[in-house]
Amino acid sequence: AQSVTQLDSHVSVSEGTPVLLRCNYSSSYSPSLFWYVQHPNKGLQLLLKYTSAATLVKGINGFEAEFKKSETSFHLTKPSAHMSDAAEYFCVVGNSWGKLQFGAGTQVVVTP
Amino acid sequence: DSGVTQTPKHLITATGQRVTLRCSPRSGDLSVYWYQQSLDQGLQFLIQYYNGEERAKGNILERFSAQQFPDLHSELNLSSLELGDSALYFCASSVTPGTSGGAGTGELFFGEGSRLTVL
Repeated sequence: AQSVTQLDSHVSVSEGTPVLLRCNYSSSYSPSLFWYVQHPNKGLQLLLKYTSAATLVKGINGFEAEFKKSETSFHLTKPSAHMSDAAEYFCVVGNSWGKLQFGAGTQVVVTP
Repeated sequence: DSGVTQTPKHLITATGQRVTLRCSPRSGDLSVYWYQQSLDQGLQFLIQYYNGEERAKGNILERFSAQQFPDLHSELNLSSLELGDSALYFCASSVTPGTSGGAGTGELFFGEGSRLTVL
């Protein structure tokens, strides 16, 4: 069985400050982990993915995530938020034969 | 642009009616997935097709059905519509078949969705 928990439903940050979106997962197997972003009225887009290579994964738009097996976490960070980062972010866990479980999402608001 | 095309973008209909949502996957992608996104349920996997064959079913109601055609486009049919069916319906595609709504270690490419409003 696998599950994913996004610890914050809403995150508000000021432009230029760091962003931290928290994700914990549970998986009986070595998981694949993904972060997707959904901008208003758009489909989901892959930000980054972890598939048992380097534990620190760099994605698009300056985002990165670190896989911590001991903490079963895959938190998403960005050093400096931009107004265009306002969106909903989904943490996703997948198992070795491809079943995906989406988190409930974290809505990010960026204030000037 | 993900390369996945969904039509229509918006649809308003009445309870009891039937609608068809259409999806054209990215060129070369053999797998098509359908998801439903609503405020109360979040993103729910409905069904997956791979090269014309149903591969996995998720939380799809019996009133809903889908198919994938030889040209790989897919249609999601929603019948006897209820108010609670109002949602954003996404189609996604991937190269690899995966199972149960996933794409293995690959990536899903999502369309921009079809917003269904049932009045």
